[in-house]
Amino acid sequence: RKEVEQDPGPFNVPEGATVAFNCTYSNSASQSFFWYRQDCRKEPKLLMSVYSSGNEDGRFTAQLNRASQYISLLIRDSKLSDSATYLCVVNGGANAGKSTFGDGTTLTVKP
Amino acid sequence: DVKVTQSSRYLVKRTGEKVFLECVQDMDHENMFWYRQDPGLGLRLIYFSYDVKMKEKGDIPEGYSVSREKKERFSLILESASTNQTSMYLCATGGAGEKLFFGSGTQLSVL
Repeated sequence: RKEVEQDPGPFNVPEGATVAFNCTYSNSASQSFFWYRQDCRKEPKLLMSVYSSGNEDGRFTAQLNRASQYISLLIRDSKLSDSATYLCVVNGGANAGKSTFGDGTTLTVKP
Repeated sequence: DVKVTQSSRYLVKRTGEKVFLECVQDMDHENMFWYRQDPGLGLRLIYFSYDVKMKEKGDIPEGYSVSREKKERFSLILESASTNQTSMYLCATGGAGEKLFFGSGTQLSVL
């Protein structure tokens, strides 16, 4: 079983749709959580950190459920520019400096 | 903004050649990482370093070595390149348990 698992998709949605991605992790000692965005042939870039209390940044909302060991990302009012691969990242456990990446979920927003 | 610079964007090498991939960061971070990214396999950690002259194996260190002689520079070495090392190589830096900043990647082709 992978340490971090994501539904690979692809998710194909129309503009304006709401889409949600989930990610599960296996190490209960994990300490910090992130969502990254990666455009085709580009490097991953931080989208947002994920906190137990949940956090929101404009159209994006991230949630963490430690008891069930999953994190989620909700995108409201999807834009064409949201088309990308979204990577779930988990840090910590035995080695606080090591990040473990999910394989990513691909989103395509269509007009 | 943190800047992470990888020496080459594209590289073509022959089987058996020794290959050096260089990465420089300008934010005085202790931690530096080398990942490779392949379609369907996501980002996989090769090696990381949490201090000068210190290194730790990641998930797939076989066939690779690293060097960290200065805090800002982390080099990945392929002692004898093989075709299965054709991949996108990504360098990253960040504080322990914190977000990562990536270089723009090196697409290495081994012929």
